Amino acid sequence: DAGVIQSPRHEVTEMGQEVTLRCKPISGHDYLFWYRQTMMRGLELLIYFNNNVPIDDSGMPEDRFSAKMPNASFSTLKIQPSEPRDSAVYFCASSPTIPPDRVFYEQYFGPGTRLTVT
Amino acid sequence: AQTVTQSQPEMSVQEAETVTLSCTYDTSENNYYLFWYKQPPSRQMILVIRQEAYKQQNATENRFSVNFQKAAKSFSLKISDSQLGDTAMYFCAFTPNFGNEKLTFGTGTRLTIIP
Repeated sequence: DAGVIQSPRHEVTEMGQEVTLRCKPISGHDYLFWYRQTMMRGLELLIYFNNNVPIDDSGMPEDRFSAKMPNASFSTLKIQPSEPRDSAVYFCASSPTIPPDRVFYEQYFGPGTRLTVT
Repeated sequence: AQTVTQSQPEMSVQEAETVTLSCTYDTSENNYYLFWYKQPPSRQMILVIRQEAYKQQNATENRFSVNFQKAAKSFSLKISDSQLGDTAMYFCAFTPNFGNEKLTFGTGTRLTIIP
């Protein structure tokens, strides 16, 4: 399995531009998570999906951020308009259906997208 | 709400020595899972070890082991015979057992192994 795939790996854009980050989860995984990593705030969960349905978006910082999962193999995180404070590494992670006792629960992370907004 | 605290922003140790990274957490849950993730310079997040809160026995994975103190809400990671490839950021993470699939992460400890 190729693991979780994210694109692009690096994105540099100017303030005010729209940015779209993409994620392909591991085939067969029911859960997809979007995280943001910054020096100041560490790793924060932005939103997660179960079976393509958003379950919890309480971590999405502002209305400028939106996420979609149109099918089981693709998700996007969009920032419009982007601001310099959005500069961070954005991770996508996926996990399989969670068993009741979660003994083997693990989230599998993609390589991340480093976003720089100038 | 759960919180995870890692009080050591940076640590360094000589190669082949043993190092212990600290993690404390706060939760009202009785059943939960704790994890240590490693993030090398490549940025990839790699699961190192997991611990189920209902298990008394501390988890071990080769050179990695944990000291889980449930009453104290402490979950430290011990790396024995440290290797240069252990240089990375290490994150402690928590998830409750039911109903919430979120992972709550600590702020991380940057570990450097010195040749």
